[in-house]
Amino acid sequence: KQEVTQIPAALSVPEGENLVLNCSFTDSAIYNLQWFRQDPGKGLTSLLLIQSSQREQTSGRLNASLDKSSGRSTLYIAASQPGDSATYLCAVPDQAGTALIFGKGTTLSVSS
Amino acid sequence: NAGVTQTPKFRILKIGQSMTLQCAQDMNHNYMYWYRQDPGMGLKLIYYSVGAGITDKGEVPNGYNVSRSTTEDFPLRLELAAPSQTSVYFCASSPSRTGGNQPQHFGDGTRLSIL
Repeated sequence: KQEVTQIPAALSVPEGENLVLNCSFTDSAIYNLQWFRQDPGKGLTSLLLIQSSQREQTSGRLNASLDKSSGRSTLYIAASQPGDSATYLCAVPDQAGTALIFGKGTTLSVSS
Repeated sequence: NAGVTQTPKFRILKIGQSMTLQCAQDMNHNYMYWYRQDPGMGLKLIYYSVGAGITDKGEVPNGYNVSRSTTEDFPLRLELAAPSQTSVYFCASSPSRTGGNQPQHFGDGTRLSIL
């Protein structure tokens, strides 16, 4: 059964730092991997979706990489800002391509 | 763009009561999902639908029912509410199956407490 793990559970950094969030999954036979952002009391916002055939995706200051063989993905945030403070979730589809299987998230706090 | 709209945003129920969580999307997506998120846990799929009239169980369906009479609406019904159903419920939609190339779009959630 696919399991998704995110480390660390929480991270605090000063404004301006570059940082990396980690996501690992146990079954490398994935269709894609998605990164979401969740603000307190809000729903999830899709940040990046990496297809299984891709190695990385970029959107602004965000870069997500995927290494299927090792079962890992990283979300790189450049020049962090207080507005980046949120919980970041990664998710992969289940074997049937029906549901998303989520990690528990990394809660990021960026101080000014 | 409204996207995915969930109502109500908050609700307190007594044990044994019933209620329906509403979800509507205006993106003409065929695929819709209900997840629950418990504190410190990842989201878990309750039910999903691949189109009007077609629904199926997810990982944690017990105590819930769904229907999908239109493309736009996907209500989730709780019968005989139990304290274990205290959670945040998220509805999501997507134009393609989860294994495709389109992300899921989420509503802001319904925060439900059963006392």
